[in-house]
Amino acid sequence: QVQLTESGPGLVHPSETLSLTCTVSGFSLTGYSVYWVRQPSGKGLEWMGRMRYNGDTSYNSALKSRLSISRDTSKNQVFLKMNSLQTDDTGTYYCTRVLPGATGGYFDYWGQGVMVTVSS
Amino acid sequence: DIVLTQSPALAVSLGQRATISCRASQSVSISRYNLMHWYQQKPGQQPKLLIYRASNLASGIPARFSGSGSGTDFTLTINPVQADDIATYYCQQSRESPHTFGAGTKLELK
Repeated sequence: QVQLTESGPGLVHPSETLSLTCTVSGFSLTGYSVYWVRQPSGKGLEWMGRMRYNGDTSYNSALKSRLSISRDTSKNQVFLKMNSLQTDDTGTYYCTRVLPGATGGYFDYWGQGVMVTVSS
Repeated sequence: DIVLTQSPALAVSLGQRATISCRASQSVSISRYNLMHWYQQKPGQQPKLLIYRASNLASGIPARFSGSGSGTDFTLTINPVQADDIATYYCQQSRESPHTFGAGTKLELK
């Protein structure tokens, strides 16, 4: 059974660093890519970055300077770190998986999401 | 980045057909593959994959959902609309990184 579960702090202070973990089960991180997608409250979905099945990463250019994604395959976990948080980073953060391949790229399983509030 | 444009909202009556459109700023097709996908999101829930590669129904999705299109113009059709279909619908392209989303179309009852 495929599952992705996000975890992390619900409250982060402005200028601090957000650290989130996506723990997966039912599939291998060396067979699927894991993406982070966020959603400001009441707004649409934003692709943040990805950890590819082969360990490569790529980031949304708008966030690249603040964002880092890593993984621990032995623990089936993918990590997101984003620094210099501001109030407009408030929202729900999702991890989701993608089957690699040029004709794929769609998100077939999603985590429940973790709500992050940036506030002093 | 490829920009996907959706209408913000669509009002429909139960039992009728709903047609939701998504237009890309450049082609999202490669050869015979149309790299546009559709998701449904209800309040407080994560998005759910409905249609992949423009016209393929995802596992467990009812047959009243269908997708079509190629190049830059794509359509999600729900026929007939049921009460459980009231949600926001997003298109997403995987032709180029970043794999952008449309802003979403909120399906409302007329």
